[in-house]
Amino acid sequence: GAVVSQHPSRVICKSGTSVKIECRSLDFQATTMFWYRQFPKKSLMLMATSNEGSKATYEQGVEKDKFLINHASLTLSTLTVTSAHPEDSSFYICSARGRSGTGLSGELFFGEGSRLTVL
Amino acid sequence: QKEVEQNSGPLSVPEGAIASLNCTYSDRGSQSFFWYRQYSGKSPELIMFIYSNGDKEDGRFTAQLNKASQYVSLLIRDSQPSDSATYLCAVILSGSARQLTFGSGTQLTVLP
Repeated sequence: GAVVSQHPSRVICKSGTSVKIECRSLDFQATTMFWYRQFPKKSLMLMATSNEGSKATYEQGVEKDKFLINHASLTLSTLTVTSAHPEDSSFYICSARGRSGTGLSGELFFGEGSRLTVL
Repeated sequence: QKEVEQNSGPLSVPEGAIASLNCTYSDRGSQSFFWYRQYSGKSPELIMFIYSNGDKEDGRFTAQLNKASQYVSLLIRDSQPSDSATYLCAVILSGSARQLTFGSGTQLTVLP
């Protein structure tokens, strides 16, 4: 099946620093990518929807200046957590939707997730 | 009322038994329903999706959809210890630009 790669899988950083997480669709073009955050024993909460070549759409309560999303190509979206604080520690997961007109249209594929720990 | 609701569990079943996981949703216009399995510390993996009323079977898994009652369930036959995980129900709500809305998940433990 289609593969979505997320990097890094784990990152530990100091408070106040910025962390970039990459999400790549390896064998298909993804017009839309989604970024989720998951706290321990909680469900996935959608943070933002990223469309290639346009600004991301953020969910209510998610600070767009803190969580910068860039979807520069059909295979890559990045999430940058700026000036990270301990409360930003979480499991961040991206997902990608196949491009319309391909056999993967509509199906969502998840990356492996990135666990961020802010000290 | 949450848009997608699941019993958090934990649900324990003996090996070989049928595990039944339930999910209800509030948006009557929803058309697409998904079941994901998530192992601890890992990202979700798709098990099944269902769009039409009735049952859909795939190996040991059966998804059941009842749009009139607004519930979707997942049955796991011949449960194995390796099925122990959190099962997430996800729904594409009408008017949501095909975004997935997840339930809180049901933790399943299959006892050997």
